[in-house]
Formats: sequence, structure tokens, C-alpha cells
Amino acid sequence: NAGVTQTPKFRILKIGQSMTLQCTQDMNHNYMYWYRQDPGMGLKLIYYSVGAGITDKGEVPNGYNVSRSTTEDFPLRLELAAPSQTSVYFCASSRNEKLFFGSGTQLSVL
Amino acid sequence: GEDVEQSLFLSVREGDSSVINCTYTDSSSTYLYWYKQEPGAGLQLLTYIFSNMDMKQDQRLTVLLNKKDKHLSLRIADTQTGDSAIYFCAESMGSNTGKLIFGQGTTLQVKP
Repeated sequence: NAGVTQTPKFRILKIGQSMTLQCTQDMNHNYMYWYRQDPGMGLKLIYYSVGAGITDKGEVPNGYNVSRSTTEDFPLRLELAAPSQTSVYFCASSRNEKLFFGSGTQLSVL
Repeated sequence: GEDVEQSLFLSVREGDSSVINCTYTDSSSTYLYWYKQEPGAGLQLLTYIFSNMDMKQDQRLTVLLNKKDKHLSLRIADTQTGDSAIYFCAESMGSNTGKLIFGQGTTLQVKP
């Protein structure tokens, strides 16, 4: 099993640009999450999903959108990138309340 | 609201024991977790403890839970240079959705 796979690993965006961070898992987990990690801070939950077709907001959803059309995939969309969205983004999936993380996407908005 | 607090930095010598502390606020948490993050990598589940337990031991790792004080600790025995990483404490939000609240992370530096 590959586990949780995120792409890209690094990306630089200009203010106002859009992009989609991809996340896929091959563990057949129903629950998936997007977190962001700012320097010196813990992870903050952006959005989560409890199954295909079901998504909900976390602590810091503003400026982001998600969709969950399949069990495997949970992409995160930034529509109008802002410098405040410069962060490291982690996707995760879970079973029995134990999270498994991808290796992260480092995003800079300049 | 819910909050998880950790000290930011700990430095120990190789072979010593390390103790990383954490306080949390949500008494309804089902599980409490310790995650390890190595440079440039995602978080890796290190160990966890169910909320009705006081202690859990797993090889060099010992987790102590004091529910009265809402205090969680992680002890690493015989700390090695490979243990250098950031350690995150996390609590479940008690809603059975797997959502976690993370502390800000403790950077463990192990000196040879």
C-alpha cells in the first residue's frame, strides 16, 4: 500500500492564482482530512470528509473548497490565493480514530 | 474551546531519557496521541492512549495520562540521535469523526 499520497510536494503561486492540491489514499478509509501547518504552530483542520459525497468545514475553511467524489480522492482547491495561505498542507485519512498522513505540500503565495 | 499546549523545545544528551509534556482541555476526548514529524515529512503516529488508561508502555516509549490534571506525557528511554524530531500531542474531538486537535509541537534535540 502507498498509504496517503499528496501532489505536488512544492508549489509557488502568485496572489490571485488558483490551484488544486491532490490527495489520494489506497487504504479504503472513509474519513479524510486536510490540515495546514504554519511555522511553530500545530496543525489546523481545514476541511474533512466522512465518506464519498460528504464534506464539512473544520477550524479554518475560509479561502478553500473541497470535494469527495470517490473514497480514494479528496482534493483541496484554492480559488484566489493569498499570502496568508502560505503554509504546509497535509492530507490524512483515518480508521479507528488513528490518522495516517501524507508527506505534505509546501505552498508559497507571493 | 478545546486547546492543546506543549513546551516548544527540549534538548537532551544521547542515552538520557526525554520527557515531553502536554496539557489538553477536552475531558471527553476518547484517545490522546503522540505524533512524530521528521524534517520534510508528514506526521507519523508514534503511540496513543485510550482515555480510560493511566499508562501505556511500548518498547522505549511510556505514555502517562493524568485525567484529573488533563496532563499527558511521553517519555523516551535511552534517547538516540534518530529520535530528534518534532513531537505533537493531539486529542480527539470526541465526535467519532477522527478529528484531532494538535498542540504546537515540541522540538526534541538529541546531542551526541
